[in-house]
Formats: sequence, C-alpha cells, structure tokens
Amino acid sequence: AQTVTQSQPEMSVQEAETVTLSCTYDTSESDYYLFWYKQPPSRQMILVIRQEAYKQQNATENRFSVNFQKAAKSFSLKISDSQLGDAAMYFCAYKTSGSRLTFGEGTQLTVNP
Amino acid sequence: DVKVTQSSRYLVKRTGEKVFLECVQDMDHENMFWYRQDPGLGLRLIYFSYDVKMKEKGDIPEGYSVSREKKERFSLILESASTNQTSMYLCASNIHRGLTEAFFGQGTRLTVV
Repeated sequence: AQTVTQSQPEMSVQEAETVTLSCTYDTSESDYYLFWYKQPPSRQMILVIRQEAYKQQNATENRFSVNFQKAAKSFSLKISDSQLGDAAMYFCAYKTSGSRLTFGEGTQLTVNP
Repeated sequence: DVKVTQSSRYLVKRTGEKVFLECVQDMDHENMFWYRQDPGLGLRLIYFSYDVKMKEKGDIPEGYSVSREKKERFSLILESASTNQTSMYLCASNIHRGLTEAFFGQGTRLTVV
C-alpha cells in the first residue's frame, strides 16, 4: 500500500524568508502524481502545486516550488518570500491514475512577522 | 466556479443517533471521497465511489456506510454515532484518471455527545 509521510508536524518561518516542508512516500508504481495542498483556518483545501512522476523538471508556481527526487521518493515544498497568508496546514498527497488520493499527516506552518 | 458543497459546517449529535452527511459536486466528476481529518493523523479515507452505486472501502470504514444514488451526490452515514467519531469530515471529488486535483468541500465538524 502507498504511504505518505510528513516528518515535521510544525514549522515556522520569518516573513520574507524561505522555508522547506518535507514529504516522503512509498510506492511500487512507476507512474503517479504528487500534490501539495494548503488548508488555512477557513478549512478550505487549496491545491498549491502538482508534479507528474515521469517529468524530470521540478514544478514551480510563483513563490512555490518542489524538489522532486524520484529515486529517493522525496517531494519537498519550498516557499520563498514567505507571507503571512502562507500560514496554514500543508498536506502532501499521492495518487496513481484512477486511484484515490493518499495524504500525509500534515505540517502546520507558522509565519512570524 | 468549481464547487463541492457539504450540507453542514457544524453538527452536534447524540450517541446512538443515525447521522447523515451530504456532499454535492457540480463538476460531473466520477470520483467522490469521504475523508476524516484528525490532528496528527492527516486525512484518512473512509470510503470512495468511482461511479453511481459503486463504492469501495477506504482505510477506516468501520462504523460508516455510504450512498451514491446520483452522480453528483455522495452521502456518508454514521449508523450509530459514537463519541470516537467526533471529528472533521471532508468530502472531495475528482476526475477518475490522470493528473487531476481533488476539489474539496469546506468540511463538517461533527461532535458526538
């Protein structure tokens, strides 16, 4: 069975600084998809970024980028120029085509002014 | 605008009651999911459905059942609510195949007293 692990229950960062959230996963599949979701206090889950496993290039969305290491089964999220609005719970998730999403435990990010 | 709507944001029920949580999506998605979110445990899959009247158990189906009579609606049923089912419940939907994000409802915080 696929598992997703986020080893950092809590992280904090100063406003305008950079922070990296870690995620590892376990799978025997060769083709799959990885996601980072953000859940602010409103509880609405928002997609931050996605990555297809067959793509070598790391995905980037504005201030958010990933470091995808397929051999190591690692998928970390880097947030640059952190803003107060980035404070949220962040979830890493895994999916194969047609299957369900499997989530990690979550990392609570605090942004300090 | 894409929408997944959960019928209640907050719910308080008594032990032993039969509880219905409703979820409706307007995107014609094949897949629909019910997750339970607890601190430190992330999102755990209770049940999912990939078509009308089709369902599969997730990781924690005990004490729950589901119903999908129409494509847009997926109901979670607590047959006899217990205090250990006090939690946040999230509904989600997505297209069956490919690199497709899941869209989430705003969650129902259920308290069983």
